[in-house]
Amino acid sequence: GAVVSQHPSWVICKSGTSVKIECRSLDFQATTMFWYRQFPKQSLMLMATSNEGSKATYEQGVEKDKFLINHASLTLSTLTVTSAHPEDSSFYICSARIAWSPEAFFGQGTRLTVV
Amino acid sequence: QKEVEQNSGPLSVPEGAIASLNCTYSDRVSQSFFWYRQYSGKSPELIMSIYSNGDKEDGRFTAQLNKASQYVSLLIRDSQPSDSATYLCAVNTGFQKLVFGTGTRLLVSP
Repeated sequence: GAVVSQHPSWVICKSGTSVKIECRSLDFQATTMFWYRQFPKQSLMLMATSNEGSKATYEQGVEKDKFLINHASLTLSTLTVTSAHPEDSSFYICSARIAWSPEAFFGQGTRLTVV
Repeated sequence: QKEVEQNSGPLSVPEGAIASLNCTYSDRVSQSFFWYRQYSGKSPELIMSIYSNGDKEDGRFTAQLNKASQYVSLLIRDSQPSDSATYLCAVNTGFQKLVFGTGTRLLVSP
C-alpha cells in the first residue's frame, strides 16, 4: 500500500500554545487528505477533509478557527491546533487518498497531550 | 441509527479458529467497503477492500459483501494471537469520505 508519514508521533505542549502536525504522502500524490481525532476506546471521528489548493471542509461541530488545515501541495497537509487546551488531548490521525482510488491510507498518528 | 454499526465485542476465539466479524451500514448507495485493523495506540491499517457482492479472499482474510442486506463481514482463518486488535469497518458513502464503525475488539487466545 501507499505510505503516509505523519510527524510528530507524539507531542506534549502547554495549555494556550499551538501545535502543528504534518502529514506527507511519500510515494503518491494525494489529492484528498483527511484528518481524524480518536479519543480512548472510541472510533475515529472525521474532523475535516482537505483538497489540495482549496479550503478544507470541516465536519459539524469542529471549530475551523481552532483546527487550521493547510493542504498546500499534493504531498503535504498540516493541521495546527491553536490555543490548545487539555480537552484537545487526543490521538490525531491523517489519511490520504490517491485520486483514482477509493482506498485511504493512514499516517502513524500523533498523540497530543496538553498540560 | 448509526451509519455503520459493529458489535464492540470483545470477540474471543482460540488460536487456530475462525474469527467472524460483522458490520452493517445504513446508506444503500454506498459503493466501497473496507476493513482496517488497529492495534492499541497505533493508527488503522487497511487489510481488505471490497466493492462488489460476494467474497474476496486475501491470505487468511475473506471479506464478504451483501448489498441487498447491507452488511459486510470479515473472516479470519487460522486466527493467531497477533491478530488480536480492533477491527474497524469503513464505508465510503460518496462525497469522498469514509464513515467508520466503532470497531470490534478481537482477542485470540493461545
